[in-house]
Amino acid sequence: KAGVTQTPRYLIKTRGQQVTLSCSPISGHRSVSWYQQTPGQGLQFLFEYFSETQRNKGNFPGRFSGRQFSNSRSEMNVSTLELGDSALYLCASSWTGANEKLFFGSGTQLSVL
Amino acid sequence: QKEVEQNSGPLSVPEGAIASLNCTYSDRGSQSFFWYRQYSGKSPELIMFIYSNGDKEDGRFTAQLNKASQYVSLLIRDSQPSDSATYLCAVNKAGGGNKLTFGTGTQLKVEL
Repeated sequence: KAGVTQTPRYLIKTRGQQVTLSCSPISGHRSVSWYQQTPGQGLQFLFEYFSETQRNKGNFPGRFSGRQFSNSRSEMNVSTLELGDSALYLCASSWTGANEKLFFGSGTQLSVL
Repeated sequence: QKEVEQNSGPLSVPEGAIASLNCTYSDRGSQSFFWYRQYSGKSPELIMFIYSNGDKEDGRFTAQLNKASQYVSLLIRDSQPSDSATYLCAVNKAGGGNKLTFGTGTQLKVEL
C-alpha cells in the first residue's frame, strides 16, 4: 500500500513569489493535515481538511491556504513568500481524523531566497 | 509557557540501558497523546499513542500518562543504536480532529 506522497520534494523560490505543494494521502484516508517544521519552532500545525472541508486551522497568516479535492488529495498554497517561510512542509493523513494516528509524507523542503 | 514541553537533550544512554523521555503539557483539555520518532532527514513516524492514565506497553516501548500531573513519558528498554533519533511528543484536544500540538523534541543518542 502506497504511503503519503508529497510533491515536489524540494523547491527554491524567491521572495514575493507563490508556491503550491501537493499531497496524496494513503488510499482510503479522508483526513489530510499540513504541518510546518523549522529548527527553531519545531512542528507547527497549519490546517486540516476532511471531506473537502477545512476542519481546523492553525495560527498562520492568510498567505497560507489549502484545499482538498474529492479524491482526498490536498494542496497548500503560500502566496507572497517571505524568507521566514523556508521550512519543511509535511503532510499527514488518517482515516477520519478524530484523534487518530497520523501517517506523514516525506515532506517538501522549501527554500525562499 | 509552551503548550508542550520537552527537554531538547541530547540524552545519551549506553546500549542496552533504559532511555526515559519526558513531556509536559499545559492544556488540561488534552485527550490523546502521541510519541513520534524522527530520524535526521526523515519524516516523523508514530511509535506509541496513549489515551488513558497509566502505562501502555508495546515491545520495548512503554508510554506513561498522568493527566493529573499533565505529564507523559516514553520508556525505551534495551536501547539500541538504531533508536538514536529525535522523539517528538504530541497532544490533541477532545474534538480537535487532528490538530496536534508538538513539542520541539528530545534528541536521543544510544552509545555503543
